[in-house]
Amino acid sequence: AQSVTQLDSQVPVFEEAPVELRCNYSSSVSVYLFWYVQYPNQGLQLLLKYLSGSTLVESINGFEAEFNKSQTSFHLRKPSVHISDTAEYFCAVSRYSGGYQKVTFGTGTKLQVIP
Amino acid sequence: DTAVSQTPKYLVTQMGNDKSIKCEQNLGHDTMYWYKQDSKKFLKIMFSYNNKELIINETVPNRFSPKSPDKAHLNLHINSLELGDSAVYFCASSQVASMSDGYTFGSGTRLTVV
Repeated sequence: AQSVTQLDSQVPVFEEAPVELRCNYSSSVSVYLFWYVQYPNQGLQLLLKYLSGSTLVESINGFEAEFNKSQTSFHLRKPSVHISDTAEYFCAVSRYSGGYQKVTFGTGTKLQVIP
Repeated sequence: DTAVSQTPKYLVTQMGNDKSIKCEQNLGHDTMYWYKQDSKKFLKIMFSYNNKELIINETVPNRFSPKSPDKAHLNLHINSLELGDSAVYFCASSQVASMSDGYTFGSGTRLTVV
């Protein structure tokens, strides 16, 4: 079994301030970790992913996430947020199960950037 | 060039009606999914098809019936619509052998039952 916990349902932050969105997971086997972003009235888009190797992964729009195996975390960070970052962010874990992908999504964190 | 397209984008209908949502992907993926997102943004898997074969069938009322005519299409038919069916329904696709690529989602169908 696997699970994902996003500890914060909402995170308000002022523009140009740093932000961290927290994600913890549990799984008895190795998993892949993802962050998806959902802008208002849109579908989810893959933001970044951790598969193996370097524990720090980056996206093209300045977000980064660090895989911490001992703390089973995959927190998402950005040093300076922009108004356009206002969106819902979902953490997800994926593993093989019965020959197929099994993906579990967190409950989402709404990032609200305040001008 | 839409990778995963859903129609319609909005659907308003009365209780008791029957409606369908269509999904098509042009990515060559072998697996497609239906997710339901409620008003609190919780995402719940409903169904998954791999090469037209049903592989995931979560606890969903029998009024919901998926159909996959080919691996590029996955439709969702809902009978006797209820108020509680109001939600955003997302179609997604992936390639099983490339699970590291994650899912590609459609833009959603907002269903409102009145």
